[in-house]
Amino acid sequence: NAGVTQTPKFRVLKTGQSMTLLCAQDMNHEYMYWYRQDPGMGLRLIHYSVGEGTTAKGEVPDGYNVSRLKKQNFLLGLESAAPSQTSVYFCASSSNREQFFGPGTRLTVL
Amino acid sequence: EDQVTQSPEALRLQEGESSSLNCSYTVSGLRGLFWYRQDPGKGPEFLFTLYSAGEEKEKERLKATLTKKESFLHITAPKPEDSATYLCAVQADYAGNQFYFGTGTSLTVIP
Repeated sequence: NAGVTQTPKFRVLKTGQSMTLLCAQDMNHEYMYWYRQDPGMGLRLIHYSVGEGTTAKGEVPDGYNVSRLKKQNFLLGLESAAPSQTSVYFCASSSNREQFFGPGTRLTVL
Repeated sequence: EDQVTQSPEALRLQEGESSSLNCSYTVSGLRGLFWYRQDPGKGPEFLFTLYSAGEEKEKERLKATLTKKESFLHITAPKPEDSATYLCAVQADYAGNQFYFGTGTSLTVIP
């Protein structure tokens, strides 16, 4: 089992560019989450999904969109990147108990 | 309003010097409290889940305990490989499937 995987691992964008981060899990979990982690701020929830075809907003959803077309995949999109979105992004999946995290994507927006 | 507060922010221990990390929470209707370990450049790794006051869980040199307002992660005779950031998270009845994380305690164990 690969667990939770994320692509890409690193990315540099210019302000205004768009991109999609991909999260995949092979544990058949219903719940999937996108977090961002910034120094001194801890992990903050961006969006989450409670099942295929569903999405919901978390604590900091502005500037991001998500889709869950397949149970095993959860995509995070940035339509027009801003420097404030420079962060490390983590995906997690859960069977409604403990979460399992991916290795993260380090995103820099110039 | 902070849901989860961890202290101290950073802790330096000599190898073998036992100590405790604190996680206090203000949510009502606790569904679960979770401890994770995070190494630099990696995603958090699950350690323990605690569900009710008085519960304890152990794994090697780590022991987690839970009261109605806080949880402690006790580290007994730590080794340098225990150096990491330890994160606490809570899941509350009113928050559905969301988890609230503390900002973590950065632990350094000196040989």
